[in-house]
Amino acid sequence: ILNVEQSPQSLHVQEGDSTNFTCSFPSSNFYALHWYRWETAKSPEALFVMTLNGDEKKKGRISATLNTKEGYSYLYIKGSQPEDSATYLCAFESSGTSYGKLTFGQGTILTVHP
Amino acid sequence: NAGVTQTPKFQVLKTGQSMTLQCAQDMNHNSMYWYRQDPGMGLRLIYYSASEGTTDKGEVPNGYNVSRLNKREFSLRLESAAPSQTSVYFCASRTDRDYGYTFGSGTRLTVV
Repeated sequence: ILNVEQSPQSLHVQEGDSTNFTCSFPSSNFYALHWYRWETAKSPEALFVMTLNGDEKKKGRISATLNTKEGYSYLYIKGSQPEDSATYLCAFESSGTSYGKLTFGQGTILTVHP
Repeated sequence: NAGVTQTPKFQVLKTGQSMTLQCAQDMNHNSMYWYRQDPGMGLRLIYYSASEGTTDKGEVPNGYNVSRLNKREFSLRLESAAPSQTSVYFCASRTDRDYGYTFGSGTRLTVV
């Protein structure tokens, strides 16, 4: 069973703060690292799919970086807004397993207070 | 464009009853997946279908069966429901490995 760890488990910030959280994954047999945003009462929504070491992706105020050699990815949110409150999931996709299966971390729950 | 549609949204079963969770996507995606979400645990893969006509076991397949009826539809069957199968079930689909999953809205299943 692959080990995908996310930290912290939960985070409370004030509106306007910048924040970041971590996803750790196996450094071998890497194919891709995914980030998803999961708002309450909705389904997870894809943010980024990252495949290359050193990749940086950006979507509005959210960005992510990837280090496949050491097995970690950071997700950054600049100037957090209450609407950023959600659970952020990362998922590891191995090159050594069958097509398209993802192993998810447990998520980081972000709460942004007005 | 509906995306991924799951039915039903809620279901209560008695131990030993059977049911089928339905999933359909209208995006012409090749691969489809069933996950379950339990408190304190990440999404865990039950079964997946890499393409029409193929299915494979995931991490937690015991007690479940699947059918990839055609390219659009991928159903999950509980033959004899157990309380341990109380969970939220998500169906997802994907066109290829350059893209993330598109998830359905989930089915909340309670087995009493």
